[in-house]
Amino acid sequence: DAKTTQPPSMDCAEGRAANLPCNHSTISGNEYVYWYRQIHSQGPQYIIHGLKNNETNEMASLIITEDRKSSTLILPHATLRDTAVYYCIVRVAWRGQNFVFGPGTRLSVLP
Amino acid sequence: SAVISQKPSRDICQRGTSLTIQCQVDSQVTMMFWYRQQPGQSLTLIATANQGSEATYESGFVIDKFPISRPNLTFSTLTVSNMSPEDSSIYLCSVVKQGYEQYFGPGTRLTVT
Repeated sequence: DAKTTQPPSMDCAEGRAANLPCNHSTISGNEYVYWYRQIHSQGPQYIIHGLKNNETNEMASLIITEDRKSSTLILPHATLRDTAVYYCIVRVAWRGQNFVFGPGTRLSVLP
Repeated sequence: SAVISQKPSRDICQRGTSLTIQCQVDSQVTMMFWYRQQPGQSLTLIATANQGSEATYESGFVIDKFPISRPNLTFSTLTVSNMSPEDSSIYLCSVVKQGYEQYFGPGTRLTVT
């Protein structure tokens, strides 16, 4: 699985969009980009995933660059409850193995 | 999606004792995993729980220390044996049902004194 690089921490004002970057320059053509988040003391929560097209769901949007070497998770209107560690994971879509979690980005949403 | 419950949610244990953590899923799943998250750290995979056979352990984890059972497609247990303070962590059960998503339980917070 391709390695990812994320900033260790970010701040965002409540009500503003939170844009969380992820670099995955060694991504392969069959690898997906997944995002999870972990709110303090809870298990990780799936947010979104994509291959090469931009994706949107009720939680967030995922923007993947054309060369697929980086992506951005967008929380359009961040709330205090979005304060969490966000993990970007790149891997081949389900091959019977687990996800490898890096250190992630600690997002703090400020009032 | 999958709804996962873990018991106990937290425990404080004495050094040298063992604790068994249960993971129950609301529907049959393809894969079940056990993770450990030490304070301030990311998640580390302990093992893959295989139904009806021995678990597959990751490097650095052994069956004698972390015996795992998976008697059916919805249930698994992880035992932390002969505990020491270094075993103080959050232990997480995780499942893959089908498709691309992996789901996590709420975790068991273990403190060893």
